[in-house]
Amino acid sequence: DTTVKQNPRYKLARVGKPVNLICSQTMNHDTMYWYQKKPNQAPKLLLFYYDKILNREADTFEKFQSSRPNNSFCSLYIGSAGLEYSAMYLCASSRGSNTEVFFGKGTRLTVV
Amino acid sequence: QQKVQQSPESLSVPEGGMASLNCTSSDRNFQYFWWYRQHSGEGPKALMSIFSDGDKKEGRFTAHLNKASLHVSLHIRDSQPSDSALYFCAVNPSSGSWQLIFGSGTQLTVMP
Repeated sequence: DTTVKQNPRYKLARVGKPVNLICSQTMNHDTMYWYQKKPNQAPKLLLFYYDKILNREADTFEKFQSSRPNNSFCSLYIGSAGLEYSAMYLCASSRGSNTEVFFGKGTRLTVV
Repeated sequence: QQKVQQSPESLSVPEGGMASLNCTSSDRNFQYFWWYRQHSGEGPKALMSIFSDGDKKEGRFTAHLNKASLHVSLHIRDSQPSDSALYFCAVNPSSGSWQLIFGSGTQLTVMP
């Protein structure tokens, strides 16, 4: 089974409210990622976990939090959603670096 | 920040025709080029990777890399309607890097 599962598929959030997105994988991959995808733009890496170590991109450092309670699960947390957070959020996983990255179907977040 | 440029933004080819997609990296320090394909409602899925100069063929798909010009192309022969999708080029920027830098994609439509 080479699937990455994301819940929910669609989420509506209010400006200023928190948002929590969930991802799971059963491939025993050591690395899990979160990407943000906006229309007509490239998917942008927000952060990734290598094992238990969280790495966040410099330009999104303060906007997103994440947790990985075990190897299979990873969450993405937005403390106070703004309109600019409306996007598709893609979770992915891989075994090590420079290897194939497996993506979930994404969660489409709409902030109103 | 390394950039990945893809062209064209959209492409239409007749069924049975050849589709050619292009990608250029702005940074010479890369390890692999990847091609990912995303069908509507699905997450991106890896088609193939290439790191050596020349051609790499997998079925109807052929990638061609020119390291000197930092250019990679993807050629799809005998295109099928099921090939209609968003195609992303992505680069692993350096050895051992977990980051995958994507282009903004080429939307391919294969007309029956």
